[in-house]
Amino acid sequence: DTAVSQTPKYLVTQMGNDKSIKCEQNLGHDTMYWYKQDSKKFLKIMFSYNNKELIINETVPNRFSPKSPDKAHLNLHINSLELGDSAVYFCASSRRGDQETQYFGPGTRLLVL
Amino acid sequence: GENVGLHLPTLSVQEGDNSIINCAYSNSASDYFIWYKQESGKGPQFIIDIRSNMDKRQGQRVTVLLNKTVKHLSLQIAATQPGDSAVYFCAEVNYGQNFVFGPGTRLSVLP
Repeated sequence: DTAVSQTPKYLVTQMGNDKSIKCEQNLGHDTMYWYKQDSKKFLKIMFSYNNKELIINETVPNRFSPKSPDKAHLNLHINSLELGDSAVYFCASSRRGDQETQYFGPGTRLLVL
Repeated sequence: GENVGLHLPTLSVQEGDNSIINCAYSNSASDYFIWYKQESGKGPQFIIDIRSNMDKRQGQRVTVLLNKTVKHLSLQIAATQPGDSAVYFCAEVNYGQNFVFGPGTRLSVLP
């Protein structure tokens, strides 16, 4: 069973479109995260979220918004996609207070044309 | 802002040899440090962590060393195997805040 899953695995879309990436974890974790990994493999956190608090990396454009329908899901919505949004997006989860042990999903490869 | 970086972007080692991956960090207030392994097409996987009040921690075939004086972190892999080929990231964590990852080092294990 996959602990942290993401859909879709690949996403190719036109500039200006709005898209969503879904993330689900079956670990019973309280905290979920979104990361962006660029073409040089640099990983940067975008959001961390539990049922009480959303922490946003201040460098993330407001075109990106996390949505959590329940504790097991944290979806990433992206509006007005830009070329520079092309990257691999990773979802992760952890127990609250144990953020050093994060479990990552397999990633969603987004290509904006 | 604070950043974490790696001295060597790529490292090639012979199978069976020991590997040492290095990382420099700049935030002396970081509470702990973590090493992640990322295989091709997969997400990062936790390897080992170390708290700032320690200077060494050992796991199975891996050892992490922390030198706070020079703000340096290293990951040693003993008897490197082909399955160790991956990109390795160090990350620093400040209590109550989020991770800052380094740019990664690609480890290639030669047969």
